[in-house]
Amino acid sequence: ETGVTQTPRHLVMGMTNKKSLKCEQHLGHNAMYWYKQSAKKPLELMFVYSLEERVENNSVPSRFSPECPNSSHLFLHLHTLQPEDSALYLCASSQDQLHGSLSSYNEQFFGPGTRLTVL
Amino acid sequence: GQNIDQPTEMTATEGAIVQINCTYQTSGFNGLFWYQQHAGEAPTFLSYNVLDGLEEKGRFSSFLSRSKGYSYLLLKELQMKDSASYLCAVMDSNYQLIWGAGTKLIIKP
Repeated sequence: ETGVTQTPRHLVMGMTNKKSLKCEQHLGHNAMYWYKQSAKKPLELMFVYSLEERVENNSVPSRFSPECPNSSHLFLHLHTLQPEDSALYLCASSQDQLHGSLSSYNEQFFGPGTRLTVL
Repeated sequence: GQNIDQPTEMTATEGAIVQINCTYQTSGFNGLFWYQQHAGEAPTFLSYNVLDGLEEKGRFSSFLSRSKGYSYLLLKELQMKDSASYLCAVMDSNYQLIWGAGTKLIIKP
């Protein structure tokens, strides 16, 4: 496997279900991100992990719970979601800007996303 | 607040040239990125500008004017496979990316 992978690619769940999204990066990066992408809206940054520590939590509801057990894996645990949470959830990784090379721009590499539908 | 503006949709003809504009207002500036996203796929990196001027990469070029808070992505010799959404993003003073809503580019034969 290369790049950034995400599973599952599609997920349909009821509002009372509990599910988890998984992301894995094979690029040797030290930062990982969860984004929410809704139609015709900008990418919304949800969480950022750098060196396995959460460094950003953009006022995300507690029904979304991230977990980063190591620098290669990132999870998003979902419970009691609402229909408005239906969206494409993208994972990305990069070399943390603060710890990366000053001469590089540390672009983010994205996974294919999980298309989530909440009924 | 922070804001990135780009047109919602553009249409162009195969073989032609198209320019996609992006204006931004952010807290600090550490570079501007352009990404391409085909329907149902992940965004992929196209270009990065941190200094004023034009960066050319094959059929794609990206321009930046920091004083005007303005960038454009120029696509030449358009091909049908260039039909996609093009996302503009600015890295702010906290090294976080602020994203535009994307421009859907439709290429017609």
